[in-house]
Amino acid sequence: AQRVTQPEKLLSVFKGAPVELKCNYSYSGSPELFWYVQYSRQRLQLLLRHISRESIKGFTADLNKGETSFHLKKPFAQEEDSAMYYCALSRSSGSARQLTFGSGTQLTVLP
Amino acid sequence: DTAVSQTPKYLVTQMGNDKSIKCEQNLGHDTMYWYKQDSKKFLKIMFSYNNKELIINETVPNRFSPKSPDKAHLNLHINSLELGDSAVYFCASSQGIPVYFGPGTRLLVL
Repeated sequence: AQRVTQPEKLLSVFKGAPVELKCNYSYSGSPELFWYVQYSRQRLQLLLRHISRESIKGFTADLNKGETSFHLKKPFAQEEDSAMYYCALSRSSGSARQLTFGSGTQLTVLP
Repeated sequence: DTAVSQTPKYLVTQMGNDKSIKCEQNLGHDTMYWYKQDSKKFLKIMFSYNNKELIINETVPNRFSPKSPDKAHLNLHINSLELGDSAVYFCASSQGIPVYFGPGTRLLVL
């Protein structure tokens, strides 16, 4: 069975400080991992996918298969980064993509 | 030019009522989903349809019945609403990766 764990429900950092949101997964196959972000009362938006190895809004995430982790990092947090962040693992179910989400981390960036 | 839209945005109703939530996507995607976000912000897939065919049906009470009249629409009908059904329901669609989400429907059962 697949599972995604985000150990921190709440995380507060000061503006300009580095931030790391933790994500660990368990999956028997080859994982496809994503970070989604949900700003206050808005829809979920895709932030990053591990296959792209890109940096979006200053965030990066590296898949570490040895540690089964996909932590999200940003060197200098901004107040507009305050949001709910979800780590998600995708697997195919026939022609559909089944996303299993972690429980989410509410990030608050303090001024 | 909204990609995935849902109506209504808010739904307040009494226990025991029947209600529907509508979803439409204009992205030309073949696959659509319903997700539930509970009061603790936990997100879980409920259903998935591909070209009007049910693909994923997680452990959801049979009071919940999805209906897909065409591949651009996936509606969710809920019978005999219970207090525990209060949540935010997100519609989503995809054509492979990634999955695009609608704005959510906030359901409150009194």
